[in-house]
Amino acid sequence: GQQVQQSPSSLVLQEGENAELQCNFSSTATQLQWFYQSPGGSLVSLLSNPSGTKHTGRLTSTTVTKERRSSLHISSSQTTDSGTYLCAIDQTGNTRKLIFGLGTTLQVQP
Amino acid sequence: DAGVTQTPRHEVAEKGQTIILKCEPVSGHNDLFWYRQTKIQGLELLSYFRSKSLMEDGGAFKDRFKAEMLNSSFSTLKIQPTEPKDSAVYLCASRGQGSSYEQYFGPGTRLTVL
Repeated sequence: GQQVQQSPSSLVLQEGENAELQCNFSSTATQLQWFYQSPGGSLVSLLSNPSGTKHTGRLTSTTVTKERRSSLHISSSQTTDSGTYLCAIDQTGNTRKLIFGLGTTLQVQP
Repeated sequence: DAGVTQTPRHEVAEKGQTIILKCEPVSGHNDLFWYRQTKIQGLELLSYFRSKSLMEDGGAFKDRFKAEMLNSSFSTLKIQPTEPKDSAVYLCASRGQGSSYEQYFGPGTRLTVL
């Protein structure tokens, strides 16, 4: 099964509302990274957060390593936040490759 | 600083053709990754190089997919022969040394195989 599961798969919000995105993973992770992908665009790293809480701008990520879960909170959403948010983990080991979830597609309506 | 660059941005191929996708990593980055992205499977790792050495070749993608890194600033992904199921976005990413482990992605090549 999928090693990284994200929920919800899609989310529609009105501008100004907050969004909460979840990421659960089935194996130990030495690293966890949240990415943003605009429609038809490439991936941009938002936050690298293997444990604890990190803030950047309107984004807050909280990762509980022992429970193998992470969340991404987007406050006061804007229409420009629309796109796909991907969670990826770097498994324990020497390869240091990322395993991605399928993403949450966010649509923020004006 | 230039980010990861990929060419071409779009490619249309007939079934059975050979196509070569190109990637230039961020200058100074040691790790380079090739991924395939589809709606159903998401991002799948095709190849991973560290300091030009192939560390992983993506298992199921071995037979028709071949990635090479002839120097530290250039990599190619060859698909031979192409099949319609290869239609996807192919992404290249690079990563530097250090503890951050953050990967930086290129804009991708959208491949359509007819």
